Amino acid sequence: QKEVEQNSGPLSVPEGAIASLNCTYSDRGSQSFFWYRQYSGKSPELIMFIYSNGDKEDGRFTAQLNKASQYVSLLIRDSQPSDSATYLCAVTGDYKLSFGAGTTVTVRA
Amino acid sequence: DVKVTQSSRYLVKRTGEKVFLECVQDMDHENMFWYRQDPGLGLRLIYFSYDVKMKEKGDIPEGYSVSREKKERFSLILESASTNQTSMYLCASKPGSSYGYTFGSGTRLTVV
Repeated sequence: QKEVEQNSGPLSVPEGAIASLNCTYSDRGSQSFFWYRQYSGKSPELIMFIYSNGDKEDGRFTAQLNKASQYVSLLIRDSQPSDSATYLCAVTGDYKLSFGAGTTVTVRA
Repeated sequence: DVKVTQSSRYLVKRTGEKVFLECVQDMDHENMFWYRQDPGLGLRLIYFSYDVKMKEKGDIPEGYSVSREKKERFSLILESASTNQTSMYLCASKPGSSYGYTFGSGTRLTVV
């Protein structure tokens, strides 16, 4: 069983809409959760991290964490064409992160 | 900002060559990692190091070795390059167990 599962894509949303990305994890002891954005041909860049249950907002991005359900999500409000990328969910485990396979988002102009 | 620098953006090597990929970070991070990323397979961990001279195998260590003689530098070595090692190689570092990675810009290696 994979440790980190993301909803399969690709996800296509119109410009200005909300993109919703979901991630579940299997290790109940995980403490820290991250969302990375990766443009085609580039390396992943960290866009959000969350440690506590609830919501964390940063500009147009909101991360949501529910440790009881082992679920973390990312909402992108007012989606822009520049948000078109693959989004990777990552969860801490010992020294290293466990990554999901990623969800590719395309924002249609 | 933390910087993770990979020495080459693109490399082309011949089958059987010994290949060195270098990674340097400038923020005194204890932990460093080497991944490869292939379409449809996601990020796969090759090796990581949590201290100088310490190394641990990741999920796909076969055909690779690593060296960490100084805290800031973590090298990936392909002992005898093969075409199935053509890939994007990503180096990352992080300061401690609760933190996320900072990635380098990646090295796209082609073995011909």
